[in-house]
Amino acid sequence: EIVLTQSPATLSLSPGERATLSCRASQSVSSYLAWYQQKPGQAPRLLIYDASNRATGIPARFSGSGSGTDFTLTISSLEPEDFAVYYCQQRSNWLFTFGPGTKVDIK
Amino acid sequence: EVQLVESGGGLVQPGGSLRLSCAASGFTFSSYEMNWVRQAPGKGLEWVSYISSSGSTIYYADSVKGRFTISRDNAKNSLYLQMNSLRAEDTAVYYCAKVRGSHMDVWGKGTTVTVSS
Repeated sequence: EIVLTQSPATLSLSPGERATLSCRASQSVSSYLAWYQQKPGQAPRLLIYDASNRATGIPARFSGSGSGTDFTLTISSLEPEDFAVYYCQQRSNWLFTFGPGTKVDIK
Repeated sequence: EVQLVESGGGLVQPGGSLRLSCAASGFTFSSYEMNWVRQAPGKGLEWVSYISSSGSTIYYADSVKGRFTISRDNAKNSLYLQMNSLRAEDTAVYYCAKVRGSHMDVWGKGTTVTVSS
């Protein structure tokens, strides 16, 4: 089973700042990594798939990079609505796994 | 509009059963793999079960294997999760999600399952 590790657990930033979130896989997942945003009381929302492709309707301030075992989600300039929890996720054959999440909160 | 709507959650005693449903609309349901994903209170996301587009291939997380059964009715555009022998640790919000390749691009709002005496 591929284990995903996210860092940091919590990121405290101010609106307008740049956020850099990390996801590391225990073995290569090629480019098959996704990022989701979840706000309290809401379902997860797909942000990035296949490491670097923005999902439909996702603003350009969100970008993803990486391949193999190391991946990054970058939010170029935080908007008030971006304060949330972010999860990475991979699929290995039939098994889907999520990272533990990074909470981006207001400093 | 592409939409998934879960139902069937509720309060159940330990050892009891529940059947969750997920109604799909706005896309060709029979063409897509589907997942159930859950989230315990204050915790992260946990994949629960997978079913292929035809229903012929099914997988479960070890935590629910032997107790939960996933199924689908493509004629009714519906996904199901039969949950038996429920435990306190099954308490969670259960989401159905449409699989596209290696990710999940559409999620329902979730249905809450509480296992408690």
